[in-house]
Amino acid sequence: GAVVSQHPSRVICKSGTSVKIECRSLDFQATTMFWYRQFPKKSLMLMATSNEGSKATYEQGVEKDKFLINHASLTLSTLTVTSAHPEDSSFYICSAIQGVGNTEAFFGQGTRLTVV
Amino acid sequence: AQSVAQPEDQVNVAEGNPLTVKCTYSVSGNPYLFWYVQYPNRGLQFLLKYITGDNLVKGSYGFEAEFNKSQTSFHLKKPSALVSDSALYFCAVRAYNNNDLRFGAGTRLTVKP
Repeated sequence: GAVVSQHPSRVICKSGTSVKIECRSLDFQATTMFWYRQFPKKSLMLMATSNEGSKATYEQGVEKDKFLINHASLTLSTLTVTSAHPEDSSFYICSAIQGVGNTEAFFGQGTRLTVV
Repeated sequence: AQSVAQPEDQVNVAEGNPLTVKCTYSVSGNPYLFWYVQYPNRGLQFLLKYITGDNLVKGSYGFEAEFNKSQTSFHLKKPSALVSDSALYFCAVRAYNNNDLRFGAGTRLTVKP
């Protein structure tokens, strides 16, 4: 299947700083990318959906000013956690799809963010 | 909006026995249904999907799933479980007219030797 690369896989940052997570589709053009957050032993919570060249669509309850998403090209989306707090510590996963509807999404390996 | 229910948090089976992981869905119109597996601290790996056609879908690692429209279900099955199948399994649904992929809560499968 197609490959989605997420970087970094693990990051520790101090409270108040910002962290950027990259999601790249390596061998296909991703028309849509998704960002999820996963709490321990919980399902994936969709944070936002981004289409290349347009603003991301955030799910209810997700602060768009805190979780900045940029999808500047068909192969790259970034999630920036701004002014991070310990409660932002989580596992963040991106996924990407090519086309619409019936295509499966491919997932990055996830990023473990720890805010200290 | 579409949604998925995985009624079992945990499924335990003995190695060699058949396994079933349940999933029901709710969506307007025809559903696109997916199963993914997640190993610890990893992203999700695609197992199989139902788009249209034959209700029995075969996927990776010997898994299959049966689409049942009347019961709005898409249960994941495998005839003979392996210890290495132990992982977290997610069912997901997408409506035909949007890209929004919604996941169930996940089911932790444990296969004991």
